[in-house]
Amino acid sequence: AQSVTQLGSHVSVSEGALVLLRCNYSSSVPPYLFWYVQYPNQGLQLLLKYTTGATLVKGINGFEAEFKKSETSFHLTKPSAHMSDAAEYFCAVAAAGNKLTFGGGTRVLVKP
Amino acid sequence: GAVVSQHPSRVICKSGTSVKIECRSLDFQATTMFWYRQFPKKSLMLMATSNEGSKATYEQGVEKDKFLINHASLTLSTLTVTSAHPEDSSFYICSARMGGGLGTGELFFGEGSRLTVL
Repeated sequence: AQSVTQLGSHVSVSEGALVLLRCNYSSSVPPYLFWYVQYPNQGLQLLLKYTTGATLVKGINGFEAEFKKSETSFHLTKPSAHMSDAAEYFCAVAAAGNKLTFGGGTRVLVKP
Repeated sequence: GAVVSQHPSRVICKSGTSVKIECRSLDFQATTMFWYRQFPKKSLMLMATSNEGSKATYEQGVEKDKFLINHASLTLSTLTVTSAHPEDSSFYICSARMGGGLGTGELFFGEGSRLTVL
């Protein structure tokens, strides 16, 4: 079985500051990991994913995440926050058949 | 990227009526689609896996007679909430898989459909 834990349901950052969203997972098989962003009343947009290979994954909008097997983590970062980054972010792990298990989500607030 | 469209985006209905939500993959064929439910300020809960030409596979605790899923073609899956009640009010999101298997098949999400049952 898979599970995902996102530390912090809310994160507040200043514009231009580092964004760090934490995600830890458990999986009985080698994981496929994803980060999605959701804007109000919209579906989910894929930011990035890790399947195999390079553990540092770069995504859209300047985000990146690093898969650390020893820490069972897949934290999401962005060096400099922008006002448009205000949204809800979900970490997810894929099980067989592409069934995704989502974390609880982290809402990012960006202060001017 | 590929586009998945849901319709309607918002629907309000009276208690006891049935509501159908459509999920279409606009520019690719999807043998598998997934239906999720999202409660306010909560994460997404997988309801069922919809397979083209066969019965949907429901997650534990999801009433299959309440949430009817049909995947009649490679580009369309429908979710019908039968005899809706206020507790069924939620944000329903579908996703469709394009391409190969786990990890290589890309998942694309619809815009979501907000159901409000009065």
